Amino acid sequence: DTEVTQTPKHLVMGMTNKKSLKCEQHMGHRAMYWYKQKAKKPPELMFVYSYEKLSINESVPSRFSPECPNSSLLNLHLHALQPEDSALYLCASSQEPGLAADTQYFGPGTRLTVL
Amino acid sequence: AQTVTQSQPEMSVQEAETVTLSCTYDTSESDYYLFWYKQPPSRQMILVIRQEAYKQQNATENRFSVNFQKAAKSFSLKISDSQLGDAAMYFCASPRAHTGTASKLTFGTGTRLQVTL
Repeated sequence: DTEVTQTPKHLVMGMTNKKSLKCEQHMGHRAMYWYKQKAKKPPELMFVYSYEKLSINESVPSRFSPECPNSSLLNLHLHALQPEDSALYLCASSQEPGLAADTQYFGPGTRLTVL
Repeated sequence: AQTVTQSQPEMSVQEAETVTLSCTYDTSESDYYLFWYKQPPSRQMILVIRQEAYKQQNATENRFSVNFQKAAKSFSLKISDSQLGDAAMYFCASPRAHTGTASKLTFGTGTRLQVTL
């Protein structure tokens, strides 16, 4: 089973709203990732949590705030977003972070629209 | 710097025919894997196949196989007996280890595959 779930599937928010994206996996994976993907482009890495600690922050603006409450759950808190933040947000997880064989499995994504 | 290049923005194949998608890469890693992901219009990135660089034998998963040329740093994906459900964006990817606790995937720009009747 290589299932990563994400909620919600779609989200529309105003620039003054606060919302959160949720990602969950029950595969015992030890790393979880947030990506942002614009149309017709490859995913861009935002954050990586490895063993529940923030391992990589790709200089993401502070209006995006990740949280990893436990090894199965990853949140992305959104506040004061801009219209250019509208994109598909993908979550992924992997079992053996740092090893060459480490393979990332992706969730279905959340389509975010900022008005 | 780690790079992954997909030189074919779009490809088209007739149903039941075979198509090959190209990918070249550059890496400083000594032990590495390479991946192909598929992203259909439903948006989910699906792992298609992966190849270990130390293995001589090309990886195969049902109708999907790779042609891995390590010296040329080439990693192409062959889809045999193409089906309508194969229509998608295909991304080649190479991971780069980071601080020993996480890895970063470098993606190519993608190839959009159309499957026609």
